[in-house]
Amino acid sequence: GAGVSQSPSNKVTEKGKDVELRCDPISGHTALYWYRQSLGQGLEFLIYFQGNSAPDKSGLPSDRFSAERTGGSVSTLTIQRTQQEDSAVYLCASSLIVGDSGAVWETQYFGPGTRLLVL
Amino acid sequence: KNQVEQSPQSLIILEGKNCTLQCNYTVSPFSNLRWYKQDTGRGPVSLTIMTFSENTKSNGRYTATLDADTKQSSLHITASQLSDSASYICVVTSYNAGNMLTFGGGTRLMVKP
Repeated sequence: GAGVSQSPSNKVTEKGKDVELRCDPISGHTALYWYRQSLGQGLEFLIYFQGNSAPDKSGLPSDRFSAERTGGSVSTLTIQRTQQEDSAVYLCASSLIVGDSGAVWETQYFGPGTRLLVL
Repeated sequence: KNQVEQSPQSLIILEGKNCTLQCNYTVSPFSNLRWYKQDTGRGPVSLTIMTFSENTKSNGRYTATLDADTKQSSLHITASQLSDSASYICVVTSYNAGNMLTFGGGTRLMVKP
């Protein structure tokens, strides 16, 4: 079965340009996360979508970053006026959240990431 | 093929008990291994980072071990608390392969009173 896919796998852009990253989650997964990992750093949470609820945008580092999820499936992360510090691996994960006696269980499935380099 | 396998997939323990989570990997070349704790809908919190030369590292009630020869890591939680209920994710990084990240499937821990 198909896992989470991301495109492009690599992106080199010039400072000041806009970029758009795409994530195709696993079909039927209601939750979708965007993260990034800069060289030498840990995972940084960016944004979380869950069903039809308003997304949790608390991790977006600046207003140059935005994300949307159309039809509860495909998500795009847009970075406007890219800066060199935006260079990182951008990861998407989807999950199916299930409840059990008040507890919530979740398994995240990660995509391969998009490696963004801003020159 | 680079893989990270975590076990058990899920675990239920009583408050106050200890538990150990396992992470086996086949990633090469190896740069570092991180354990994260993540609540649903929240960002992951890095618990420890282990490099090739480190065998044991502690962070409060969390102790991580790494055996680079057998490519195994463990996360031991001592005196569990209800707030430890979360997913624990093992991630292996390979910088030499273009900052490649390989994720384990996670262990879902539930601590019950």
